[in-house]
Amino acid sequence: DSGVTQTPKHLITATGQRVTLRCSPRSGDLSVYWYQQSLDQGLQFLIHYYNGEERAKGNILERFSAQQFPDLHSELNLSSLELGDSALYFCATNKAGAYNEQFFGPGTRLTVL
Amino acid sequence: DQQVKQNSPSLSVQEGRISILNCDYTNSMFDYFLWYKKYPAEGPTFLISISSIKDKNEDGRFTVFLNKSAKHLSLHIVPSQPGDSAVYFCAASRGDSSYKLIFGSGTRLLVRP
Repeated sequence: DSGVTQTPKHLITATGQRVTLRCSPRSGDLSVYWYQQSLDQGLQFLIHYYNGEERAKGNILERFSAQQFPDLHSELNLSSLELGDSALYFCATNKAGAYNEQFFGPGTRLTVL
Repeated sequence: DQQVKQNSPSLSVQEGRISILNCDYTNSMFDYFLWYKKYPAEGPTFLISISSIKDKNEDGRFTVFLNKSAKHLSLHIVPSQPGDSAVYFCAASRGDSSYKLIFGSGTRLLVRP
């Protein structure tokens, strides 16, 4: 157990809808990274927040947005959903002094029908 | 542009033998490399890492080798155990202000009893 929590575990929705995925880092961790894993592929970096500020952005679609709140939890918002958005979405954190090593949550499986 | 590549989608090894998983990268700016292990329905779990200033790092049954001139790294598992059966991801980071990870597509390891 990494100590990183994600909700919900599963999400089934329809095309065109909007969903919000939530991530809570471990106590004291300031960073939240979001990754997307499509079927049988590697994890693709989406976005990184550090202490409430956006630090880096990857190949994140304009329909997707994220934010990190003062209590350091983060939300990933996906809108105008398409079938191709079906994937596993993971968040991760790292700790001071070992920034390279990230600890992942259990993921949210999104299915768009 | 796939900066981190795992060209073997699967590997099958007999219990007790050595498992060797390979990874190639193209970006010479990467300075830290990691291996993650992933079971179905779980998030990736950190396994072992190596800095670009080293060529070997060992942790119990797991050893990672880095060949910077060839832009190649490998993970050796000795002896392999059935519980090692999982998908293994190679990842790299640049050590910039974000420390975001770039992942390979994974290798599915099956250790046969």
